[in-house]
Amino acid sequence: GEDVEQSLFLSVREGDSSVINCTYTDSSSTYLYWYKQEPGAGLQLLTYIFSNMDMKQDQRLTVLLNKKDKHLSLRIADTQTGDSAIYFCAERRANAGNMLTFGGGTRLMVKP
Amino acid sequence: DTEVTQTPKHLVMGMTNKKSLKCEQHMGHRAMYWYKQKAKKPPELMFVYSYEKLSINESVPSRFSPECPNSSLLNLHLHALQPEDSALYLCASSQETRGGGIFQPQHFGDGTRLSIL
Repeated sequence: GEDVEQSLFLSVREGDSSVINCTYTDSSSTYLYWYKQEPGAGLQLLTYIFSNMDMKQDQRLTVLLNKKDKHLSLRIADTQTGDSAIYFCAERRANAGNMLTFGGGTRLMVKP
Repeated sequence: DTEVTQTPKHLVMGMTNKKSLKCEQHMGHRAMYWYKQKAKKPPELMFVYSYEKLSINESVPSRFSPECPNSSLLNLHLHALQPEDSALYLCASSQETRGGGIFQPQHFGDGTRLSIL
């Protein structure tokens, strides 16, 4: 199985909150990232969290980290149609230098 | 808008052609990366350059040849590619600290969509 796992698909209505989940297996992860990829584009860094934190908030985005359960989530408040994209979580491990291990991505569909 | 610029945005080439992908950043980042991304999959790391020297080659076939002529530019030279090499090729960059320290996140370009006929 993959080292970083995400559910494949999430559908929400416009204005609702979206929660995208990610689980990882390596306890040495130092930083965890969320990237957004729109069709035909590259990866846009949304936010990241250091492993000694359990929460980070940035405008409509809230990242929660449960290090004990190796679980990361991204909550998007007041989801808009422009939030429709693929969301990748990624981890940087302590012994892997600058390399990232990506999850498989979650496709978020926002219905009007 | 991305601060990592990749050209061209699209490239169609035959299996006998030679072409190059280019990547440029002016953020002062000293680590640069090439990734390959197939449809509906996460990016796969190909190469890492640190201070203009190749530090990681993820067992990439020799028909892909990276080059880092200076701290702002990264090229990927292509020769004799196969149809399965069709993909989105992403460049990324990040700050780098010699001897360790706080790692900074990678910033990605919009990619070059490559089609091999």
